[in-house]
Amino acid sequence: EIVLTQSPGTLSLSPGERATLSCRASQSISGSSLAWYRQKPGQAPRLLIYDASIRATGIPDRFSGSGSGTDFTLSISRLEPEDFALYYCQQYGDSPRTFGQGTKVEI
Amino acid sequence: QVQLQQWGEGLLKPSETLSLSCTVHGGSFSTYSWGWIRQPPGEGLGWIGEISHSGTTDYNPSLKSRLTISVDTSKRQFSLRLTSVTAADSATYFCARMPAGYLDVWGQGTTVTVSS
Repeated sequence: EIVLTQSPGTLSLSPGERATLSCRASQSISGSSLAWYRQKPGQAPRLLIYDASIRATGIPDRFSGSGSGTDFTLSISRLEPEDFALYYCQQYGDSPRTFGQGTKVEI
Repeated sequence: QVQLQQWGEGLLKPSETLSLSCTVHGGSFSTYSWGWIRQPPGEGLGWIGEISHSGTTDYNPSLKSRLTISVDTSKRQFSLRLTSVTAADSATYFCARMPAGYLDVWGQGTTVTVSS
């Protein structure tokens, strides 16, 4: 199975700053089949990005995704208060689908 | 607006069977696959498995021997059944819509605790 490793584990930033999150795969992900989710405490995750770079419906343009093969990045250009949360990447190019272990973005 | 409403037993004893269901309100049912994901307390997300509207399933190999995911198109529902549960199966379980392997609409989550 494809193992996804997210870094850093925790990112300490301030509102208005830029966040850069990394997701590295143990083998190449076919078709850039990678998604990013944001999860706030006590809530279900919310889809932010799919196919590595396509914003999901209703997601503001401060979120952007990039990458291919084994290295993927989620960037948040200007952190809003609601962006301080957990972020997960997920690959769906192969079965079983797998998630990264998460990156916590904290103030 | 599509909403997924999930329900099921939240407290089980070891060796019992976990059963959860998810009803899809709004939107199309027959053009999507539907999945289950779980999250142990304080831990990350884990993919359990998925089912297409036509009933084709794909399971996590680590759960395959205990897992059944089924679909009832007429009721716009899909269900999860996990047998012989242990404390390791304690988690919040989510149902979700899967347009193409990713998960774009999620249920509210059901907390399942396995304890004697």
